Amino acid sequence: TQLLEQSPQFLSIQEGENLTVYCNSSSVFSSLQWYRQEPGEGPVLLVTVVTGGEVKKLKRLTFQFGDARKDSSLHITAAQPGDTGLYLCAGAGGSARQLTFGSGTQLTVLP
Amino acid sequence: DTAVSQTPKYLVTQMGNDKSIKCEQNLGHDTMYWYKQDSKKFLKIMFSYNNKELIINETVPNRFSPKSPDKAHLNLHINSLELGDSAVYFCASSQLAGGSTDTQYFGPGTRLTVL
Repeated sequence: TQLLEQSPQFLSIQEGENLTVYCNSSSVFSSLQWYRQEPGEGPVLLVTVVTGGEVKKLKRLTFQFGDARKDSSLHITAAQPGDTGLYLCAGAGGSARQLTFGSGTQLTVLP
Repeated sequence: DTAVSQTPKYLVTQMGNDKSIKCEQNLGHDTMYWYKQDSKKFLKIMFSYNNKELIINETVPNRFSPKSPDKAHLNLHINSLELGDSAVYFCASSQLAGGSTDTQYFGPGTRLTVL
């Protein structure tokens, strides 16, 4: 069974601070996706990383795929209240034919 | 236009009842999914259909039966509801069947509460 552990599980910070969320597994994935879910809504895709060591930037969000394609990180610079939400990583490929979702990180950015 | 829609948004029912959740996507995708999100926000796949055919069926009690009348619809019927079935159920769709760069589009979810 492929498992993706995210840390921290909960994160509450002040507006303007930086933060990093981690997504780790013992399994290799062909790609890693990050989704954000807001209350009462479904997850929405933020980014897909495919190549080991790949770094992608989406405004203040920086995503990195580990060299061995077993882990990923999401770094947010100067967090804003609008960044509040549940962040989910999801691995594709490997031994499973479907997305395996991580345990989630609930981020709260206080004004 | 809503890409993936689910009805109802909320469902409150008694233990032992049978209920259905409907899902429709207007994206022209070939693959649709049902996920269960528990109280700890863990999202786990239940079923996947590609062009009306079941391709993934995770370890789910056989009280849960998906039905896909056409590739734009994937409904979920649940028999003999139990307290542990309380969760948020998400429908999703994607163009490909689990491709490594495939984007899944999620519906707004159905919050099921079993009393």
